Amino acid sequence: QKEVEQDPGPLSVPEGAIVSLNCTYSNSAFQYFMWYRQYSRKGPELLMYTYSSGNKEDGRFTAQVDKSSKYISLFIRDSQPSDSATYLCAMSAKSDGYSTLTFGKGTMLLVSP
Amino acid sequence: DAGVIQSPRHEVTEMGQEVTLRCKPISGHNSLFWYRQTMMRGLELLIYFNNNVPIDDSGMPEDRFSAKMPNASFSTLKIQPSEPRDSAVYFCASRQTAYQETQYFGPGTRLLVL
Repeated sequence: QKEVEQDPGPLSVPEGAIVSLNCTYSNSAFQYFMWYRQYSRKGPELLMYTYSSGNKEDGRFTAQVDKSSKYISLFIRDSQPSDSATYLCAMSAKSDGYSTLTFGKGTMLLVSP
Repeated sequence: DAGVIQSPRHEVTEMGQEVTLRCKPISGHNSLFWYRQTMMRGLELLIYFNNNVPIDDSGMPEDRFSAKMPNASFSTLKIQPSEPRDSAVYFCASRQTAYQETQYFGPGTRLLVL
């Protein structure tokens, strides 16, 4: 079992739809959770960052973490064609002050006008 | 502020040739990461440095790969000799300190080995 599982998609939705992207993980030590957005032929860029369990909202984006289920989600409200990209979840566990990120493979999102 | 800078952006080479990828991290960032991204395996961490010192190189696939960070503003990833299975997008990322999690990625180098 991979440490982080993410459905590769593609996920196709019409403009204005609510999008739900998800990751599951197996390492209970993970406590820092991130979502990166990667446009085609570009580097990943940080979208959302959360610590431990709970919700975080930033504009049209909401990140949720459920550590008891080892499940994280990213919701996009009123999706736009410009949201079309690959979304990668990433997570880390502190260890002696040095941490690395474990990434999911990414979910490709296509928002049609 | 300038982000992470990588060069070249594209590289096409023949099997057996040496390839050198370059990275300039964000000024003031103390940690630097090299990743490889493929469709099959996703984003894989190859090696990372804190304060120019290699901390974990367990992701380097084999001895053909080597990385250096001679100073805080420059790092190289070298493949010698290159093989077709090395074809991938190579990303460099930097982080402000070892005690933070957020990494900032460069635009990547798209490598094709024929």
